[in-house]
Amino acid sequence: GAGVSQSPRYKVAKRGQDVALRCDPISGHVSLFWYQQALGQGPEFLTYFQNEAQLDKSGLPSDRFFAERPEGSVSTLKIQRTQQEDSAVYLCASSPTEQSGSFGPGTRLLVL
Amino acid sequence: AQSVSQHNHHVILSEAASLELGCNYSYGGTVNLFWYVQYPGQHLQLLLKYFSGDPLVKGIKGFEAEFIKSKFSFNLRKPSVQWSDTAEYFCAVNHLSGGSYIPTFGRGTSLIVHP
Repeated sequence: GAGVSQSPRYKVAKRGQDVALRCDPISGHVSLFWYQQALGQGPEFLTYFQNEAQLDKSGLPSDRFFAERPEGSVSTLKIQRTQQEDSAVYLCASSPTEQSGSFGPGTRLLVL
Repeated sequence: AQSVSQHNHHVILSEAASLELGCNYSYGGTVNLFWYVQYPGQHLQLLLKYFSGDPLVKGIKGFEAEFIKSKFSFNLRKPSVQWSDTAEYFCAVNHLSGGSYIPTFGRGTSLIVHP
């Protein structure tokens, strides 16, 4: 069956530009996680949704980062006024349980 | 601070050699433990996980891991590696925080297997 999909796969943004990254989880998965993975590092937790409720956002690095999942399926991670340090791969994972599960391919963001 | 440590950042082995990748964590409470693999050009896949029960966990592709609570460790092993095991390996710990399981990953170990 279809896995987790993310779009766009690659995004180049000018510093100061707003970006929106989309995650389509596996159908029926209640849990959705966002991660940021810098080059040469492991994924770092950003935020977690259970259905439409954002249960934890302790990993969001600043108030420029905002995530939503209004109908409990598709989620969007928005980064306002992008900075060069935001350059990373943004990963989404979904799961039928409260534990992290199937990962998507990621969106590679480059901020110039 | 809570953390997950993977001691080996780069490992190079010949085919048929045995593999052990170290993982230690610093959480004292309830944890669930995972190993993920990322093959070149592919996304992260679950190798195995431990929630409770037998501390020796068997995963896909002949991998296994042993949870040693007293050592806060969850090392990954494979008796005989293959060239196709070349990949990045990540240890992860889910710990309870505010009623939710929050995942923390190690920085990863790059494994290269020579044919």
